[in-house]
Amino acid sequence: EDQVTQSPEALRLQEGESSSLNCSYTVSGLRGLFWYRQDPGKGPEFLFTLYSAGEEKEKERLKATLTKKESFLHITAPKPEDSATYLCARRAGGTSYGKLTFGQGTILTVHP
Amino acid sequence: KAGVTQTPRYLIKTRGQQVTLSCSPISGHRSVSWYQQTPGQGLQFLFEYFSETQRNKGNFPGRFSGRQFSNSRSEMNVSTLELGDSALYLCASSLEGTGKSPLHFGNGTRLTVT
Repeated sequence: EDQVTQSPEALRLQEGESSSLNCSYTVSGLRGLFWYRQDPGKGPEFLFTLYSAGEEKEKERLKATLTKKESFLHITAPKPEDSATYLCARRAGGTSYGKLTFGQGTILTVHP
Repeated sequence: KAGVTQTPRYLIKTRGQQVTLSCSPISGHRSVSWYQQTPGQGLQFLFEYFSETQRNKGNFPGRFSGRQFSNSRSEMNVSTLELGDSALYLCASSLEGTGKSPLHFGNGTRLTVT
């Protein structure tokens, strides 16, 4: 069964305090691991796609990495505007490319 | 380029009624998927349409249905509404059907069933 587990559930940081969010997933048939950011009252905003172990992608203060069992979202020197819920999702094999299995998310709060 | 547009943004309905939600994908995107988001269950897949055909369906009762038109716009319908159907309904589109493009989400329709 597809399963995605994110930790921690919530994370409170001081501005400038770097940290990492974790996403672990069931291994078989991975066809993409996705990171999204969701602000209150809005839909998820696409951040990154990772396809193979060892792959890394960066955008501003965010860096996503992928191993065979998990993905990390590293946040370097965060700012208050980085506060949001970060969602991880996997796409399984098969022909239904629109079906993603999401984790429960990590609520990130960055204090000034 | 305009993003995914969902209408209406908010809806209040009574138990037993039915509701239709609308989604306009990003121009050129042919795949449209629908998700339900609740505090308890998170984001759950409802169904996916590609070129007017339902390609996959999630584990939801038959009261939930959808369709896609030739211009890729999509609608979902929920009949005989229950209190538990209160949720944020999200539509997402992607460029093509080969699995390489990510899903881009709209801001959702907030449905409240009283």
